Amino acid sequence: AQSVAQPEDQVNVAEGNPLTVKCTYSVSGNPYLFWYVQYPNRGLQFLLKYITGDNLVKGSYGFEAEFNKSQTSFHLKKPSALVSDSALYFCAVRDIPAGSYQLTFGKGTKLSVIP
Amino acid sequence: DVKVTQSSRYLVKRTGEKVFLECVQDMDHENMFWYRQDPGLGLRLIYFSYDVKMKEKGDIPEGYSVSREKKERFSLILESASTNQTSMYLCASSLEGDNQPQHFGDGTRLSIL
Repeated sequence: AQSVAQPEDQVNVAEGNPLTVKCTYSVSGNPYLFWYVQYPNRGLQFLLKYITGDNLVKGSYGFEAEFNKSQTSFHLKKPSALVSDSALYFCAVRDIPAGSYQLTFGKGTKLSVIP
Repeated sequence: DVKVTQSSRYLVKRTGEKVFLECVQDMDHENMFWYRQDPGLGLRLIYFSYDVKMKEKGDIPEGYSVSREKKERFSLILESASTNQTSMYLCASSLEGDNQPQHFGDGTRLSIL
């Protein structure tokens, strides 16, 4: 079975500081990993994904994520936070081989960037 | 850009009614999904479809059914609405392939009174 955990319900960071949103996963094989962002009253928007290869993945809006197989983590990072980054962030995982298109999402982390 | 359109942003229905939520995507995606989103629970998959007339149950299919008669349209049906189905419902679509990202609509906030 596949599962994902986002250990922090909320993360607060000052504008201009680096931000990290944490994600850990559990799979029986190898993972496909995704990050999504949700702004108020909107659907989820895809940020980035890890499939294979380089452990540092770059995505939209200056975000990046680091895949760490030994720690089963896929933390989302940004060097300098903007107030407009304030949103709900979801990590998602799919086990490989999955035999299914089903993604498992974390419960989400609310990011607040303080001016 | 992929566009996933959900027919209603807000919907209010009564207990026992049959409720239809419609979703249309314009990018010829093979896969379509229905989720519900509840505070503290994240997203939970209700049903998904990987082809026309094909469907598979997700984690919480009870009380729901789906229909996919055309590739671009995926409907979620609440057979007899109950108050515990009050939620935000999100539709998504993706290309075939298990490493493809899903693209989401803006959601339907459904209230059952």
